[in-house]
Formats: sequence, structure tokens, C-alpha cells
Amino acid sequence: GAGVSQSPSNKVTEKGKDVELRCDPISGHTALYWYRQRLGQGLEFLIYFQGNSAPDKSGLPSDRFSAERTGESVSTLTIQRTQQEDSAVYLCASTGGQGVFYNEQFFGPGTRLTVL
Amino acid sequence: AQTVTQSQPEMSVQEAETVTLSCTYDTSESDYYLFWYKQPPSRQMILVIRQEAYKQQNATENRFSVNFQKAAKSFSLKISDSQLGDAAMYFCAYRSAYGTGNQFYFGTGTSLTVIP
Repeated sequence: GAGVSQSPSNKVTEKGKDVELRCDPISGHTALYWYRQRLGQGLEFLIYFQGNSAPDKSGLPSDRFSAERTGESVSTLTIQRTQQEDSAVYLCASTGGQGVFYNEQFFGPGTRLTVL
Repeated sequence: AQTVTQSQPEMSVQEAETVTLSCTYDTSESDYYLFWYKQPPSRQMILVIRQEAYKQQNATENRFSVNFQKAAKSFSLKISDSQLGDAAMYFCAYRSAYGTGNQFYFGTGTSLTVIP
């Protein structure tokens, strides 16, 4: 596609439920990143994928958070037993391709998660 | 780990005037990339400008320019002829030039208000 897409754009869930957030990177981009952004805050790194392997999971805040990626395509971030502190915007970004844009991150529009 | 610091949580500028947003970073690496991203209320992160550390010439993109001081590890963004559409959160980011898919490090952001 033309850019990084994320779904859903908004998700409201009840405390204790599981949620899945999806990211479709730009076609051909090898690296994919997940970030969390709480209201009025900066970006908090969660995890990144190189291909379908995740060399760096250091940012995942707890074992309730997990992510997977299929090949060099779609990634899913799963949050189990959601808590109110999980409420945030979850941003996905991808990098890759050729030439001067290789090192630039292209961001999706984010998923706003609200845990009631 | 590298750290990126934005010491100005909020800034304001009169329309058509010039404003400078500051960013400092800490690294032991000699080659890296620096970025400024803009996040308007729509929350879509947009790349404003990037700088390769091995280039001495400061990057410019229309009304946006940077003052890159490698020895001081400083990377400020100058916005000239400010427009109402420039109002947004601005994030400074660092990425190593070594390897692929390396983590990006973001500052905590500066909220820019443009006064008509």
C-alpha cells in the first residue's frame, strides 16, 4: 500500500479483556516497530521486528504484551487481560526500501486504545 | 543506550516569526542519523527533516532547517515564517547507522503553538 496502516483506529474495551492491534507496513519494508504513546507523552518503544524475528523485545512492559509478525508483512500486537494503564495510542512504523529513505521511519495513524 | 533530550516541553511563536526547538543526544557512536518528526492533532507522525552525522552541511527543507553541532551533540530545528499549520508536537529522534532495523530513540517532544 501507499503507507503504513493500522486497525482498528479506535478500540474501547473492558478491563480484563484481550485485544489485538494490527499493523500493515509498507510493502517491502523489512523492519517494523511498535510504540506506545500515553496522552501528552512521548513515544515509548515496545518491540521491533527484522523480518519476522524480534531481536529486541526489551520495551514490552509486561508478559501481558506480545507481538508477532508474518514474514515481512502484517504484525499483530496482543495485550492480554487489559488494564486501565494500557490506555494509550499504539503506533506502528516501518523502515526499509532503497536509497535515501532507507533509514526513515514511516508511521501509521495509530490505534487509540481505551480500557474502561 | 542512547538518550535524546528535548528540554522545552512547550513553545509558542507568533505567526510569520521564527522559532527554534532544541534537542540534545548522548551517544558514543560516530555515525548515526537524526530526525525531526511532527505530530499534529491527527496524531499522524510526519518526517520533517533528517540529518546524517557524517555530513557537515546542515539539512534544510523549505522553511525548516537544522543546526547540527556534532561535537556538542546538539540538533536544533529552526522553523522560519511560522504558519498555523506548524502547530503540533515535534519529536527529535536518533538512530544508529550501524546494522539494520536498529531501534530509534525519541525525545519526549515539544508542543509548538502558533499564535495568529
